Amino acid sequence: DAKTTQPTSMDCAEGRAANLPCNHSTISGNEYVYWYRQIHSQGPQYIIHGLKNNETNEMASLIITEDRKSSTLILPHATLRDTAVYYCIVREENTPLVFGKGTRLSVIA
Amino acid sequence: DAGVTQSPTHLIKTRGQQVTLRCSPKSGHDTVSWYQQALGQGPQFIFQYYEEEERQRGNFPDRFSGHQFPNYSSELNVNALLLGDSALYLCASSLVAGRGQETQYFGPGTRLLVL
Repeated sequence: DAKTTQPTSMDCAEGRAANLPCNHSTISGNEYVYWYRQIHSQGPQYIIHGLKNNETNEMASLIITEDRKSSTLILPHATLRDTAVYYCIVREENTPLVFGKGTRLSVIA
Repeated sequence: DAGVTQSPTHLIKTRGQQVTLRCSPKSGHDTVSWYQQALGQGPQFIFQYYEEEERQRGNFPDRFSGHQFPNYSSELNVNALLLGDSALYLCASSLVAGRGQETQYFGPGTRLLVL
């Protein structure tokens, strides 16, 4: 079973920041937080991952709370192409990805 | 730099038949994982291949088997197809375990319909 809890759906206005929350209250010290997204009928796309520190790449930023029990994925300027299901996954090194139901993000013009 | 590729893109089979799906990993990757995604669900892990051996396996019956070739490409075989095997089959590649956290990159998937 997935070890994360995410809202079922969210809306975001185009051009605004999309903030997607994830709860992982039972995360252990050696588990990473991964984010993937899946645009309809395509394979999941890796976005970002982190252990303790906040991370940023060309796609998004990942903010992990100090107690590591929750995190937020930030898409700084959402576009219509960011409409997708976003999956937050906690995972030990070299273990399979366990997907939950994710958050369906709709970016609205 | 070629990403993960899968073939075929779509496939239709009938119950009881056998199917083989193929995956070529991203350049520089040597580990292949297979996932099944039923309609409306998240992907579920089937198994992972590294050094031509099955390294980890999810909760799938023996009808699901695989193979990895010396060039790191992989096949997923499903025997005695059931209607419930209809799904999107995803392949993900990564660089070998033991070198720190490995990130899996997914292919576009093969959509299998069993009639």
